[in-house]
Amino acid sequence: DAKTTQPTSMDCAEGRAANLPCNHSTISGNEYVYWYRQIHSQGPQYIIHGLKNNETNEMASLIITEDRKSSTLILPHATLRDTAVYYCIVRVGAGGGADGLTFGKGTHLIIQP
Amino acid sequence: SQTIHQWPATLVQPVGSPLSLECTVEGTSNPNLYWYRQAAGRGLQLLFYSVGIGQISSEVPQNLSASRPQDRQFILSSKKLLLSDSGFYLCAWSVRGFSNQPQHFGDGTRLSIL
Repeated sequence: DAKTTQPTSMDCAEGRAANLPCNHSTISGNEYVYWYRQIHSQGPQYIIHGLKNNETNEMASLIITEDRKSSTLILPHATLRDTAVYYCIVRVGAGGGADGLTFGKGTHLIIQP
Repeated sequence: SQTIHQWPATLVQPVGSPLSLECTVEGTSNPNLYWYRQAAGRGLQLLFYSVGIGQISSEVPQNLSASRPQDRQFILSSKKLLLSDSGFYLCAWSVRGFSNQPQHFGDGTRLSIL
């Protein structure tokens, strides 16, 4: 799996868009970008994933640069409940067989009231 | 929609006692199922995964075992717990046959061994 680099922590004001960057300069052509988050004492929550096109769902948007070497997760209107550690994972697939997910240190996003 | 249930949410057990943690998935058929452990301040460690009833693969040798008696039920067991078995145990599922689809996690069981 390609290595990812994320900032250790970020602050965002409640109601504003939270933009979380992730660098994955060694990503290969068949690797997807996945985002998860983990709120303290809960299991990781899947947010979104994409290959090369930008993606949007009810939780967030994922913007992947044209060269695929970096991406940004956007939470459009952050709330206090979005305070969590956000993990960017790059891998061929996250759902199959022996492929256990490996979470790095992630970004601790703190939403300020 | 699909949901995953784990119980109990917390458990305190003495060293040497047995363990049984249960995970069930609703709203999907033939899922891949996974057991992970997350030690305090550390990342996820894949313990077991299963692609079907009775089919279990172990990733880490230890005193834990897993079973899948039904399509959407995954059980983590131990005959004798060790202090090192303390941690946050997570069950996850994914759609079988589509490796790019994500894994979805339960809320976990926090296990403390005394």
